[in-house]
Amino acid sequence: DAKTTQPTSMDCAEGRAANLPCNHSTISGNEYVYWYRQIHSQGPQYIIHGLKNNETNEMASLIITEDRKSSTLILPHATLRDTAVYYCIVRVGDTPLVFGKGTRLSVIA
Amino acid sequence: DTGVSQDPRHKITKRGQNVTFRCDPISEHNRLYWYRQTLGQGPEFLTYFQNEAQLEKSRLLSDRFSAERPKGSFSTLEIQRTEQGDSAMYLCASSLVGRSYTFGSGTRLTVV
Repeated sequence: DAKTTQPTSMDCAEGRAANLPCNHSTISGNEYVYWYRQIHSQGPQYIIHGLKNNETNEMASLIITEDRKSSTLILPHATLRDTAVYYCIVRVGDTPLVFGKGTRLSVIA
Repeated sequence: DTGVSQDPRHKITKRGQNVTFRCDPISEHNRLYWYRQTLGQGPEFLTYFQNEAQLEKSRLLSDRFSAERPKGSFSTLEIQRTEQGDSAMYLCASSLVGRSYTFGSGTRLTVV
């Protein structure tokens, strides 16, 4: 079973920041937080991952709380093409990714 | 390299027939994964390979399902005696050990 809790859906205005929360209160010290997204009719796409420090790449930023029990994925300037289901996954080592139901983000013009 | 390729994109089959799907991973990736996804759900892990060795199979993978990766390159997933409950999107992904996955676009199976 997935070890994360995410809202079922969220809306965001185009051009604004999208902040997607994820709770992982039972995370252990060696588990990473991964984010993937799935655009309609495509396979999931890797976004970002982190252990305890905040991370940023060309797609997004990942903010992990100090106690590591929750995190937020930030898309700084959402576009219509960011409309997708976003999955937050905790993973230890090389174990296969376990997906939950994710958050359906709708970016609205 | 064009990413992970899956063939066919769509398959309609009659209940009781056998079907086989193919996945061509990114060439340098030694890990290959199979997932199944039904409407409104996240992908469910089925099995994975490191090179030609099948390292793990999910409890979801009944004995009607078999996967192979004979030369550590492409993989096939076969479903025997298909049932309506097998209707789903079958996703393949590849990666290097410990790295992020690259997914294909999937094969959509409809059992009628």
